[in-house]
Amino acid sequence: KAGVTQTPRYLIKTRGQQVTLSCSPISGHRSVSWYQQTPGQGLQFLFEYFSETQRNKGNFPGRFSGRQFSNSRSEMNVSTLELGDSALYLCASRRRQETQYFGPGTRLLVL
Amino acid sequence: DQQVKQNSPSLSVQEGRISILNCDYTNSMFDYFLWYKKYPAEGPTFLISISSIKDKNEDGRFTVFLNKSAKHLSLHIVPSQPGDSAVYFCAAKAMGDDKIIFGKGTRLHILP
Repeated sequence: KAGVTQTPRYLIKTRGQQVTLSCSPISGHRSVSWYQQTPGQGLQFLFEYFSETQRNKGNFPGRFSGRQFSNSRSEMNVSTLELGDSALYLCASRRRQETQYFGPGTRLLVL
Repeated sequence: DQQVKQNSPSLSVQEGRISILNCDYTNSMFDYFLWYKKYPAEGPTFLISISSIKDKNEDGRFTVFLNKSAKHLSLHIVPSQPGDSAVYFCAAKAMGDDKIIFGKGTRLHILP
């Protein structure tokens, strides 16, 4: 069974731009979560989608948004990029169980 | 307020010895705990989990111990191998809540 895939793997943007990241979950998984990983901050929860509905949201500004499609694929959008948004963005999927399976991440660099 | 704490940012252990990674939590509603391992440039990989109804769960070289009264869990790796060098994240989930809360991670170095 294919794992969680994320595209693109690497991205360079400049301040003020916006970016869209994509995540395809494991087949059969309807829940997709997004995390931001920065040095020293661990994995910070952004949001979780289940059946196209946002089910949980972390403490991030409104510049961070997401959506989920009917095929469970998810996108995350960050508008008006700031230097501090440089991070590894991880997507994870799961069935309605506790164990999440992560994708390889998208490394975003904001210049 | 950080609900899942990994107070050791890094740990070095000799190959063949036991590695013990610690994790503390503050939320008494957490009832499910997980450990993930992460290599650079890769996503975290699920290692082992434990439910609050147990105090120990074992899978090969990996054992997780849960002390509910102390709100503490630990991951033991025996014997430690070079491929165990990675960042280990502790995570927890509360009853009735689907959100999984992660600690900041501990970087484990296995020394030859």
